[in-house]
Amino acid sequence: DAGVTQSPTHLIKTRGQHVTLRCSPISGHKSVSWYQQVLGQGPQFIFQYYEKEERGRGNFPDRFSARQFPNYSSELNVNALLLGDSALYLCASSTGQLNTEAFFGQGTRLTVV
Amino acid sequence: KNQVEQSPQSLIILEGKNCTLQCNYTVSPFSNLRWYKQDTGRGPVSLTIMTFSENTKSNGRYTATLDADTKQSSLHITASQLSDSASYICVVTPQAGNNRKLIWGLGTSLAVNP
Repeated sequence: DAGVTQSPTHLIKTRGQHVTLRCSPISGHKSVSWYQQVLGQGPQFIFQYYEKEERGRGNFPDRFSARQFPNYSSELNVNALLLGDSALYLCASSTGQLNTEAFFGQGTRLTVV
Repeated sequence: KNQVEQSPQSLIILEGKNCTLQCNYTVSPFSNLRWYKQDTGRGPVSLTIMTFSENTKSNGRYTATLDADTKQSSLHITASQLSDSASYICVVTPQAGNNRKLIWGLGTSLAVNP
């Protein structure tokens, strides 16, 4: 069974550009959550999607958006990139049920220059 | 004040030794408490998940304990290996929350030296 896969693994963008990050959850998992982790800090929640609907949104500007597809994969989009958007972006996959494990992908390292 | 506090902030031990990491939380009520291992620049890997009614959970050389009365959890690593060098993060889910409400500690950075 494949784990949570994220692409790309590394990305370099310039300020003002936009970026799309992708995540494929574990087979059978219907919930995908996105996190931003700045070096030396814990992950900050950005979005959760369950059954293709947004179920939660963290304290991030509207430049951040996401969606979930019928196959439960997900995309995170960030527009008008800022230097401060440089971080490790993590995708977590779960069944969506309470008290179940959340499995993380290896992350996408985004560097904005 | 962070709702999930971990100690020590960093720890260095010799290969083969045991160690215990601490997590104190103020989140109440809560649904579950998780321990994750995170290598630098990689995604967190789940080690254990305990509901409020459980007081111990093992995963190989990792054993987590939970005292819901004192709001403390510990992660004990037995016979440490070089590959155990990582950040260990304690995460609490408030009751009736789901993954979106995970409250993360800042982690303990563990270095295992030969």
